[in-house]
Amino acid sequence: QVQLQESGPGLVKPSETLSLTCTVSGGSVSSDSSYWTWIRQPPGKELEWIAYISYTGSTNYNPSLKSRVTTSLDTSNNQFSLKLSSVTAADTAVYYCAREVITPVSRYYFYYMDVWGKGTTVTVS
Amino acid sequence: DIQMTQSPSSLSASVGDRVTITCRASQGIRNDLGWYQQKPGKAPERLIFAASILHSGVPSRFSGSGSGTEFTLTISSLQPEDFATYFCLQHNGYPRTFGQGTKVEIK
Repeated sequence: QVQLQESGPGLVKPSETLSLTCTVSGGSVSSDSSYWTWIRQPPGKELEWIAYISYTGSTNYNPSLKSRVTTSLDTSNNQFSLKLSSVTAADTAVYYCAREVITPVSRYYFYYMDVWGKGTTVTVS
Repeated sequence: DIQMTQSPSSLSASVGDRVTITCRASQGIRNDLGWYQQKPGKAPERLIFAASILHSGVPSRFSGSGSGTEFTLTISSLQPEDFATYFCLQHNGYPRTFGQGTKVEIK
């Protein structure tokens, strides 16, 4: 069973770069049809999708964060990472990593997040 | 971006009650919608995908319906372990977007 675990500093200074890693166990980051995703939830606010990096290394970023976000895949350590530059207090949030997968149903394909990490709190101060 | 409007933001219910949560999309998303459950301090868990298909292992008291812009999650008979926060997530376009969440509390 695939499990995900976020890690990284819990406190980041304004204007610096937030760096988080998600370690995948029970599966491979090179698994077909896996989209390794970052999501965050600021205090009292709704969840916000940040980005994905696919099993092939292709990426997709939220336009609202695109200029500051980078994701990468580390197949040798079975991890994927997030970097968010020039952080401000507005980037304070619980950050989750997750895997989005695609599955066929009849003639169609559907996506869903099949596994999430427990989340890690990052405070910008 | 596709905006997802979820209601209510919270509700109080008793064990055995029927509970309904709604998500509305700002544009048609076919049935590219999932429902997730989150308990405090734990990772979210999948419940439903494709608007109405229960994931393996999810109790049959959970059901989903809808297509296009209106979606519903129903818990037919609320159990003690169902007190949690529920949120919808559209998987139709990028960026993915979430409903605001519904906290289901004990009455």
